[in-house]
Amino acid sequence: EVQLVESGGGLVQPGGSLRLSCAASGFTVSSNYMSWVRQAPGKGLEWVSVIYSGGSTYYADSVKGRFTISRDNSKNTLYLQMNSLRAEDTAVYYCARETNIAFDPWGQGTLVTVSS
Amino acid sequence: QSALTQPASVSGSPGQSITISCTGTSSDVGSYNLVSWYQQHPGKAPKLMIYEVSKRPSGVSNRFSGSKSGNTASLTISGLQAEDEADYYCCSYAGSSTHVVFGGGTKLTVL
Repeated sequence: EVQLVESGGGLVQPGGSLRLSCAASGFTVSSNYMSWVRQAPGKGLEWVSVIYSGGSTYYADSVKGRFTISRDNSKNTLYLQMNSLRAEDTAVYYCARETNIAFDPWGQGTLVTVSS
Repeated sequence: QSALTQPASVSGSPGQSITISCTGTSSDVGSYNLVSWYQQHPGKAPKLMIYEVSKRPSGVSNRFSGSKSGNTASLTISGLQAEDEADYYCCSYAGSSTHVVFGGGTKLTVL
C-alpha cells in the first residue's frame, strides 16, 4: 500500500527551528517528485516546496531562504527543515507525492504551531 | 503568485449537478493542461479527484468530471450525494520557478 506518514510537528517559539519528516512506504521517494503543502488553520492549501527525482529543489517565496527540503534515500524519507519560524508559518503540513503535477497520495499531516 | 480564484461556496440538492469554477491567468491555467482538483473533508487530508484537467484517478466516481476553457478550469459533480459535502481546491502548474498555485477553496453544501 502506498502511504505517507508525517511527524515532527509541535509548538515552537518565533525564530525557532523544527524538522518535519515524511516516511514513505509502497514506493521510492527518490524516484518521484515530492512536495510539502501547508494549510493554516481555517485557510486554504499553500504549496511550500518540491524536490524533483533528480534532486532539484524549489520553494514558495514565503519560505525561500528559511526552509530546506531534502530526502534520505536509505530511509525512504522526505524532510522539511524549517528555520526562523514565524507566526504565519503556523499550519498543518502535508507531504505528498507528485505525479504530472498532481498530488497523490497525501500524508495525514502534522501540526506546526509557532507561538511564544 | 496569486492564488487561483474559486467561489467561496456552492450548494445543491441531492441528485442535482453543480459546477465549481477555478479562474487563473495565461501564466498558469491558460498555459498548461496540468490542473488538478482535491476534495477535503473536515479534519482530513486532501484527496485527488481530477488530474491533467479531466482525468480521474482509479477509484474516483465518474460523477466527478473536469474541463478547461481558456484561463478557467471547472469541476462538475453530477448526481450530488451527501458524502460529496466537503471543501474543493483546484491547483495548476505555473512554471518551474513558481511550480504550482492553489485556488482558495470552495465549500460545497449538499442541501
